[in-house]
Amino acid sequence: QKEVEQNSGPLSVPEGAIASLNCTYSDRGSQSFFWYRQYSGKSPELIMFIYSNGDKEDGRFTAQLNKASQYVSLLIRDSQPSDSATYLCAVNLNDYKLSFGAGTTVTVRA
Amino acid sequence: DAGITQSPRHKVTETGTPVTLRCHQTENHRYMYWYRQDPGHGLRLIHYSYGVKDTDKGEVSDGYSVSRSKTEDFLLTLESATSSQTSVYFCAISEETIGNEQFFGPGTRLTVL
Repeated sequence: QKEVEQNSGPLSVPEGAIASLNCTYSDRGSQSFFWYRQYSGKSPELIMFIYSNGDKEDGRFTAQLNKASQYVSLLIRDSQPSDSATYLCAVNLNDYKLSFGAGTTVTVRA
Repeated sequence: DAGITQSPRHKVTETGTPVTLRCHQTENHRYMYWYRQDPGHGLRLIHYSYGVKDTDKGEVSDGYSVSRSKTEDFLLTLESATSSQTSVYFCAISEETIGNEQFFGPGTRLTVL
């Protein structure tokens, strides 16, 4: 079993809709959780991180963490064509290394 | 890219040749990382450093070595490149914060023929 799993997609959503991305992880000791956005040919860019159960909102992005169920999700509200990218989920154990999922490709269609 | 540069940005080399990739940061962050990214595999950690001259292996370290003689520079060396090392290589940095979030450099695309 992979440490961090994501649906590879592609996830296609209409402009203005909510895109919902999910990520599950295997290690119950995981402490903090990250969402990165990666445009094609570019490097990953940190958009959110969360370490407490519940929701964390930043603009159009909301990260949701449920440690009991070992999943973290990312909601993108009012999706825009500029949100079309691959979204990487990453999980941090109680050290300074991250484990990454393979990423979910999101396409926002106009 | 959070004060991180990588050089070269693109390189084509032949099997069996040595290759060194450089990561340079201006953020004075303690931790530095080398990842490779391949289709279907996501980002995989090669080596990381937790201080000058302090390094450790990641999950895919075979065939790679690293050195960190200064806080700002982290070098990745392929002693004898193989075609399986064709990939995009990213450097990342982090500091001791609550989240330990990592920030990535622009990447190096390496092709081994």
